[in-house]
Amino acid sequence: KNQVEQSPQSLIILEGKNCTLQCNYTVSPFSNLRWYKQDTGRGPVSLTIMTFSENTKSNGRYTATLDADTKQSSLHITASQLSDSASYICVVSDYSSASKIIFGSGTRLSIRP
Amino acid sequence: DGGITQSPKYLFRKEGQNVTLSCEQNLNHDAMYWYRQDPGQGLRLIYYSQIVNDFQKGDIAEGYSVSREKKESFPLTVTSAQKNPTAFYLCASSISLAGSYNEQFFGPGTRLTVL
Repeated sequence: KNQVEQSPQSLIILEGKNCTLQCNYTVSPFSNLRWYKQDTGRGPVSLTIMTFSENTKSNGRYTATLDADTKQSSLHITASQLSDSASYICVVSDYSSASKIIFGSGTRLSIRP
Repeated sequence: DGGITQSPKYLFRKEGQNVTLSCEQNLNHDAMYWYRQDPGQGLRLIYYSQIVNDFQKGDIAEGYSVSREKKESFPLTVTSAQKNPTAFYLCASSISLAGSYNEQFFGPGTRLTVL
């Protein structure tokens, strides 16, 4: 069964600190992996996208890594800001069907001043 | 100002009523999607459409219906047959069907509450 699992479920850190969020997947065949940021009550916004041949992608203070062999990805946030408080969702797609876009349940990140 | 819009932001429905959620995009995207989001769960696909006048069921289509009469519009009707409709509904679009390198752009969502 195609699955995307994220950890931790929730995380609280102090402003200015770094953190790393994890995503493990079993989706096959694999096409790409995206990380989205979703503010409360809003739609998700894409942060990064990686195909199987890419193992790192940065977007400002956000850096995503991908290990296609172990089927693991991480999202590292550097020098966190209060505006980083949101849910971060890992999304994995395969080639076989448009409906095979599997969403993780997200990590709820809270940044405290 | 390009983007994808959903209305209303909040919607209240009495049991037994049908309601329609609006989704409009001016990104000239061919593909559009409807998802449902419940607390602690990942987004689940309700319906998707890759072209005008064509749409396909997703994983949880029962109790929902859609139409795609115009490229820009993809309304979702939540019927009285949907047993647990209270949720956050998200509409998305992409240049073509995702599963390739295409990014999905999401609307701001509609929160539906059944009274």
